[in-house]
Amino acid sequence: LAKTTQPISMDSYEGQEVNITCSHNNIATNDYITWYQQFPSQGPRFIIQGYKTKVTNEVASLFIPADRKSSTLSLPRVSLSDTAVYYCLVGVSGTYKYIFGTGTRLKVLA
Amino acid sequence: KAGVTQTPRYLIKTRGQQVTLSCSPISGHRSVSWYQQTPGQGLQFLFEYFSETQRNKGNFPGRFSGRQFSNSRSEMNVSTLELGDSALYLCASSRDSYEQYFGPGTRLTVT
Repeated sequence: LAKTTQPISMDSYEGQEVNITCSHNNIATNDYITWYQQFPSQGPRFIIQGYKTKVTNEVASLFIPADRKSSTLSLPRVSLSDTAVYYCLVGVSGTYKYIFGTGTRLKVLA
Repeated sequence: KAGVTQTPRYLIKTRGQQVTLSCSPISGHRSVSWYQQTPGQGLQFLFEYFSETQRNKGNFPGRFSGRQFSNSRSEMNVSTLELGDSALYLCASSRDSYEQYFGPGTRLTVT
């Protein structure tokens, strides 16, 4: 079963691009990766989801290399309001089971 | 479109008691998943329901149980509460178990 790890924390400045990586071993071909943002005392908020290569939406990009042992969330031009904890989630295909990463606390500085 | 709602938002219970938490999914969503979030263990999957059937569960003792009703609303129950059960309990709904949308959570404190 997949085990997911993330860096504990990251600091960035406003306007910079931030890349947060999630390491996940033993994920199967059809397992999908989802990234969430969580503010204190709130539930996680969906950011982006993908299976392979690259996915982009209006707020972020998700890169998954061919070996699928990691995935990277890319946030372009972060602002102070992006200060939050970011989690990756592995959805184990066909099992309806979900494994969250350890979470990365992103602090955006002015 | 209304989001996922959870009730109550805060709860204080005593060791040995039981508790029931409720989750109302987004309209049209038939999958409901439950998670426990603690500072030490992070976010852990409890179980997932779809059309009133539990399709999988995480590694939690049998004191943790749940159910889903025909209108997709779900409840989870924890019996014989322990201090370690203090946590934020989150519910998430989705159409097909892929793109999950989370509620605000229920903060349970066991004293």
